[in-house]
Amino acid sequence: DARVTQTPRHKVTEMGQEVTMRCQPILGHNTVFWYRQTMMQGLELLAYFRNRAPLDDSGMPKDRFSAEMPDATLATLKIQPSEPRDSAVYFCASGFGRDSGNTIYFGEGSWLTVV
Amino acid sequence: AQKITQTQPGMFVQEKEAVTLDCTYDTSDPSYGLFWYKQPSSGEMIFLIYQGSYDQQNATEGRYSLNFQKARKSANLVISASQLGDSAMYFCAMREGNYGGSQGNLIFGKGTKLSVKP
Repeated sequence: DARVTQTPRHKVTEMGQEVTMRCQPILGHNTVFWYRQTMMQGLELLAYFRNRAPLDDSGMPKDRFSAEMPDATLATLKIQPSEPRDSAVYFCASGFGRDSGNTIYFGEGSWLTVV
Repeated sequence: AQKITQTQPGMFVQEKEAVTLDCTYDTSDPSYGLFWYKQPSSGEMIFLIYQGSYDQQNATEGRYSLNFQKARKSANLVISASQLGDSAMYFCAMREGNYGGSQGNLIFGKGTKLSVKP
């Protein structure tokens, strides 16, 4: 059963530390999204890639966040330095493969707490 | 202006009854897709159903159906025969862009919390 895989599932870190979240999209999907979910803001797009090229990262604080796709099987989201306001659930999603039509599948999320 | 509006922050439904969750959207793009996702308390986002703007028929997936009224720009989710496991947050989302392509990102509504009563 194909799925989007995210690591870590849970992370508690101290303010100022670097955090790296990883995502393995479903094989064959050409579009990868990073979303952040908080109680106050709901689901916000941070960045998305098509065929590994960044299409939109306007939702991402550029001074501390960076998103990359080193290869088709790995997407990363880094926060450096982390701040308490970054505490949220970070979702990776992938879609638009040949056999997935218009469906976009989400990973289980990375729950980040910055203290 | 909000692109996706879900006007019901919370809803209750009796087990085995049907329930409709409202969603209205705003776009000037003739090509778009509408999605519904379920988020149980465990936190994962589960895809439920998709409707394309050019699809002639309303989408259905098991107990889920999408009541697509294009002129009204509404895409309500209907859950038939509610089950206790349907208790969750439900999000409506829209993707603008080339139909069937991979343009555009998903824009989400604020969600509706559904509680199914035994």
